[in-house]
Amino acid sequence: KNEVEQSPQNLTAQEGEFITINCSYSVGISALHWLQQHPGGGIVSLFMLSSGKKKHGRLIATINIQEKHSSLHITASHPRDSAVYICAVDGGSQGNLIFGKGTKLSVKP
Amino acid sequence: KAGVTQTPRYLIKTRGQQVTLSCSPISGHRSVSWYQQTPGQGLQFLFEYFSETQRNKGNFPGRFSGRQFSNSRSEMNVSTLELGDSALYLCASSLRDRGWSEAFFGQGTRLTVV
Repeated sequence: KNEVEQSPQNLTAQEGEFITINCSYSVGISALHWLQQHPGGGIVSLFMLSSGKKKHGRLIATINIQEKHSSLHITASHPRDSAVYICAVDGGSQGNLIFGKGTKLSVKP
Repeated sequence: KAGVTQTPRYLIKTRGQQVTLSCSPISGHRSVSWYQQTPGQGLQFLFEYFSETQRNKGNFPGRFSGRQFSNSRSEMNVSTLELGDSALYLCASSLRDRGWSEAFFGQGTRLTVV
């Protein structure tokens, strides 16, 4: 079993829809990262959080440490949100990031 | 503030050759981590350097090595290339003095081994 599980693997939405991507992990963490990867490869860090909730524009990320679960929400989705969204956990003292397999999002106009 | 710069962006090598990739971190960042991304395995951690010392290492064979210079620039080297080494290699820099901090990724180097 992977230490970081994301769902769904693929997601197709219509422009304007509310989108949720889920991430569950089985290891102890000091922080959880949500990353966005567009075709071409470059990765952008969207959020880093260790508790509660963060919001940036139309993006909201939440984490429940007790349940070892995080969600990334996109409100009023737009075709430019089409990308792969990757959840990664940071074990802190263990060193570096452990990644989920990613969720490929496609938003249709 | 300049971002993380990886060179080259694209590379084609032949089996058995060796390759060196470069990563220049954001100014002031002392931690550089390297990752391999393949369609089958996704993103996997290779190693992390902090202040010229390898601090952590992932589960990769000894053909994969790296180093970090006093200006925090890092290189990774893959010797005796295999077809399976074809991948996108990403580096990320962070402050990461202690515990967690935000990671900033480069655009990656796409390596094709033929």
